[in-house]
Amino acid sequence: KNQVEQSPQSLIILEGKNCTLQCNYTVSPFSNLRWYKQDTGRGPVSLTIMTFSENTKSNGRYTATLDADTKQSSLHITASQLSDSASYICVVIGVWAGGGADGLTFGKGTHLIIQP
Amino acid sequence: DSGVTQTPKHLITATGQRVTLRCSPRSGDLSVYWYQQSLDQGLQFLIQYYNGEERAKGNILERFSAQQFPDLHSELNLSSLELGDSALYFCASSPGPQVGITDTQYFGPGTRLTVL
Repeated sequence: KNQVEQSPQSLIILEGKNCTLQCNYTVSPFSNLRWYKQDTGRGPVSLTIMTFSENTKSNGRYTATLDADTKQSSLHITASQLSDSASYICVVIGVWAGGGADGLTFGKGTHLIIQP
Repeated sequence: DSGVTQTPKHLITATGQRVTLRCSPRSGDLSVYWYQQSLDQGLQFLIQYYNGEERAKGNILERFSAQQFPDLHSELNLSSLELGDSALYFCASSPGPQVGITDTQYFGPGTRLTVL
């Protein structure tokens, strides 16, 4: 069964500090992996999309890494800001015959709180 | 603002009742997706429509149904509501039928359903 496990479940850090969120998956065969940011009570917003051949992708202070051999991804946030407080969701898309959204496997997310 | 609109924003109803949630996709997007997000649960894919036709089905209960109309807006109907149906319901849209490498899903702001 395809699964996406995220850790930690929740994290509290001080403003200005760095942090790293983890995502392990069992989805196979693999097409691409996405990180979303979801503010409380809002819809998720895409941060990065990584394909099988990409190891690192950055979006401002967010840097995602991917190791397709070990089926692990991480999201590193540099110099955190209060506005980074949100849930971060890892989504893995498998190579699915139908190509529809049933090929997506969502993690439960990491709830990040930035304290001043 | 993702360009995806959902109405209503909040809905409070009683067990056994029936409700309809509405979604308008981004201009030009032909796919609409419905997701359920319960407290402490990740996003659960319910169903996808592409250009009026059902494209993919997830863990959608028989009490739930959806459709996409010729103008591409979509409605999710929830009937015989139970307490456990209380959740955030998100609609997302994308241009094409497949959630591929370049096809990003854009999420709406969600409808918060409370069943008392």
